[in-house]
Amino acid sequence: NFMLTQPHSVSDSPGKTVTISCTRYSGSIASNFVQWYQQRPGSAPTTVIYENNQRPSGVPDRFSGSIDISSNSASLTISGLKTEDEADYYCQSYDNYNRWVFGGGTRLTLL
Amino acid sequence: QVQLVQSGAEVKKPGASVNISCKASGYTFTTYGITWVRRAPGQGLEWMGWISAYNGNTHYAEKLQDRVTMTTDASTRTGYLEVRSLRSDDTAMYYCARDGDLEPLASWGQGTLVTVSS
Repeated sequence: NFMLTQPHSVSDSPGKTVTISCTRYSGSIASNFVQWYQQRPGSAPTTVIYENNQRPSGVPDRFSGSIDISSNSASLTISGLKTEDEADYYCQSYDNYNRWVFGGGTRLTLL
Repeated sequence: QVQLVQSGAEVKKPGASVNISCKASGYTFTTYGITWVRRAPGQGLEWMGWISAYNGNTHYAEKLQDRVTMTTDASTRTGYLEVRSLRSDDTAMYYCARDGDLEPLASWGQGTLVTVSS
């Protein structure tokens, strides 16, 4: 199987832009769609990006996703940071048997 | 609106089994599958598997497939997760989530805390 590696934590100030990476080890990042989930403290996760770069209804356009084949990674970018964005973020993709693989998660802290 | 309401917290001894329910409302139950995900303390999300509420087909995580069973009951609009031979590292918050029309997971339950301790 493969791994998705994320930074343990990122931080920045309100109003700034932050990017969280998700690097795939073994296999191409383009082989299977990547999703991103947000989990605020004490709450269930929610989907913020699906199919690499699509936003579910209700997710603000401050959230965007992309993949980069050259670095074999996916990225979640959050612009105009707000205090409500403070949360854990997880990338997720699939293996060749359609089993899900999650990244280890990244804690976003607002300074 | 779509709602998934999970059963309450459980405390179990090692070796026991736990059964968690996920009661759905606000949509046609058999149209969408249910995914189960857990998060252990200090750890990240872990996918446990998926069940079709239409025909009961299942797809389990390889490391859990010998100890986990997912079922649904269309008459009560409820999904169930059974985990057997519980160990301390099964201590986690367990979530059910419904398939989306576009995104993989559209709606989540509130979570059920399972504590495994002697």
